[in-house]
Amino acid sequence: DSGVTQTPKHLITATGQRVTLRCSPRSGDLSVYWYQQSLDQGLQFLIQYYNGEERAKGNILERFSAQQFPDLHSELNLSSLELGDSALYFCASSVGQGRVSPLHFGNGTRLTVT
Amino acid sequence: DAKTTQPTSMDCAEGRAANLPCNHSTISGNEYVYWYRQIHSQGPQYIIHGLKNNETNEMASLIITEDRKSSTLILPHATLRDTAVYYCIVRVGQGAQKLVFGQGTRLTINP
Repeated sequence: DSGVTQTPKHLITATGQRVTLRCSPRSGDLSVYWYQQSLDQGLQFLIQYYNGEERAKGNILERFSAQQFPDLHSELNLSSLELGDSALYFCASSVGQGRVSPLHFGNGTRLTVT
Repeated sequence: DAKTTQPTSMDCAEGRAANLPCNHSTISGNEYVYWYRQIHSQGPQYIIHGLKNNETNEMASLIITEDRKSSTLILPHATLRDTAVYYCIVRVGQGAQKLVFGQGTRLTINP
C-alpha cells in the first residue's frame, strides 16, 4: 500500500459528460502529480501541484483541469469527455521541494467513456 | 531529463537473479537514476533510486557504473510476483520534479 488513495476505482460515463477524480496524498506529502495511461500511449504526465500551487504542466488537454486544496487532496476534472479519454488515471505524491523524494502512486481510477 | 534505453522484454527463471540493464549515456551530474515497476494495471511501484553509489534495499539492488552512463537493477531471487514492466528513469534530484516514463522492460518470470 503506497498510502495514496484514489477514488473512485472505476468510472463509466458517456461522451460529453464531466467527471471528477479525487486523490488523497500520503501523509506529509506536499506534491501531487496526475498521470494518464492509455493502451497506446504509456504513462503520460498531466500536471503537478505543490502545496496548492500548480508547478508543472504536461500534455494536459484544455478540457481537463486540476486543483489542490488546502488539506492537500487533489481533484482532476475531465469535461466534454470523448471516447479517447478512456484510460487509467494515476495520482502520485511526494514530499516535495528541496529533497530527493520518490513519487508514490495510487492504484488509479479506470475511466471508461461510452 | 536524460533519455534512457532499456530492452523491450526479458525472461528470467524463478529463483534466479534478474538483472535489468538501462543505458543513460547523457545523464547529468545532478540527475538520479530511479527504478519503478508496474504490475498489470496497478499503479507504478517505487523500487529504488541512486546517484552514483550502489544502493540496496529490501526489494532490489542498483548498480551504477563509475561513469554513470548505465545501471543495472538486480532482483536477487525473482518470484512469479516480480513479473511486471520495469521502468528506468533519470530525474533531477532537487525539487519536486515529475517522472518521465519510457516504454520500460517487460520482465517475465518463468516457473
